[in-house]
Amino acid sequence: DVQMTQSPSFLSASVGDTVTITCRASQSSSTYLNWYQQKPGKAPILLIYGASNLQSGVPSRFSGSGSGTDFTLTISSLQPEDFATYYCQQSYRTPNSFGQGTKLEIK
Amino acid sequence: QVQLVESGGDLVKPGGSLRVSCAASGFNFSDHYMTWIRQAPGKGLEWLSYISNRGTTTSYADSVKGRFTISRDDSKNSVYLQMNSLGGDDTAVYYCARDPGYCSGGRCYQRLDALDIWGQGTMVTVSS
Repeated sequence: DVQMTQSPSFLSASVGDTVTITCRASQSSSTYLNWYQQKPGKAPILLIYGASNLQSGVPSRFSGSGSGTDFTLTISSLQPEDFATYYCQQSYRTPNSFGQGTKLEIK
Repeated sequence: QVQLVESGGDLVKPGGSLRVSCAASGFNFSDHYMTWIRQAPGKGLEWLSYISNRGTTTSYADSVKGRFTISRDDSKNSVYLQMNSLGGDDTAVYYCARDPGYCSGGRCYQRLDALDIWGQGTMVTVSS
């Protein structure tokens, strides 16, 4: 199975900052890499699919990059509503595993 | 509007069984791959299983293989997860989610390999 490792697990930042979350796969996932945002008590929301494609309706301050085993999610000019937990997911091989999550907190 | 609604979560004794359901509305359900994901209290997301748009292909995580069975009834716009031999590690919120597929160059494909619509989840608690 493909293991997904996110770093950092916790991230503290201020409104207006730019932050980057990384996701590393234990085997190549090509560009089959998705990013989700989850807020407490809510279902996850798809932000980025195919490593770099912005899901419809998602603000352009979210961007993704990478291929193979190394991927990044960048959030530019953080807004108050962006403080949440972020998960990567590889969908290249089953099981389509998730990373452990990165909790983005307000500094 | 496009939505998924899970139901059937309950308190179950260890070793017991339960079936959770997911009802879809607002889109052509039969065209879509569907996936179940769970989240234990305070933990991350765990991919469990998917079923193809015609129900001919399924896949399972090792943690549930042989115990859980995914199925669908397109006439009811629903996908199900039958869970047997439940243990404490199965305590979680269970979500269903849709693969939106995509169209490109005049052709449409059933799999985008991402999950764009999620239900609100249903809680399964395994405890004596």
